[in-house]
Amino acid sequence: DIVMTQSPESLAVSLGGRATINCKSSQSVLDSSNKKNYLAWYQQKPGQPPKLLIYWSSTRESGVPDRFSGRGSGTDFTLTISSLQAEDVAVYYCQQYYISPQTFGQGTKLEIK
Amino acid sequence: EMQLVESGGGLVQPGGSLRLSCAASGFSFSSYWMTWVRQAPGKGLEWVANIKLDGSEEYYVDSVKGRFTISRDNAKNSLYLQMNSLRAEDTAVYYCARDWYQGLDVWGKGTTVTVSS
Repeated sequence: DIVMTQSPESLAVSLGGRATINCKSSQSVLDSSNKKNYLAWYQQKPGQPPKLLIYWSSTRESGVPDRFSGRGSGTDFTLTISSLQAEDVAVYYCQQYYISPQTFGQGTKLEIK
Repeated sequence: EMQLVESGGGLVQPGGSLRLSCAASGFSFSSYWMTWVRQAPGKGLEWVANIKLDGSEEYYVDSVKGRFTISRDNAKNSLYLQMNSLRAEDTAVYYCARDWYQGLDVWGKGTTVTVSS
């Protein structure tokens, strides 16, 4: 199985500041045939189901603010929130959907400093 | 509006069984893979199982293989998870989610399973 490792486990950022979350996979999730990285990011707020933010490592889901961006390829990926808003407080997860069983990272808790 | 509604959770003794259901509406259910994801209290997300459009392929996380069975009824727009030989570590909120090949884009609110004597 592909192991997904996120860092840091928790993060405190000032309002308006930049938050960066890292995700590393134990093997590449890049499909060479279509040049796509099978990597998604989710946001989960307390008491709610997760919400898909980004897929194909860098494509924002419809309706997701452009302060959220994803990048990376192969085994190393990053989610960046460029200007933190109060409503961004949540736990963020990366997920690989390249090979079943699909797997999630352990989550990164984002708070306001 | 696309919607997934889980049901069937509850309290069950170790070694017992439970069948979860997920009712889909607002989209063409038979056109998508479907997935179960769980979250133990205070813990992260764990992908549990998924099933192909026509039910011809299924995949499971190792910890539930041989105990859980995912199935679907496209005529009823419904997804199921049969859980047998339940253990304390299966205690979690169970979510069903739509897999649109680019991540899990529609989620239910979840149903809670508690395994305890």
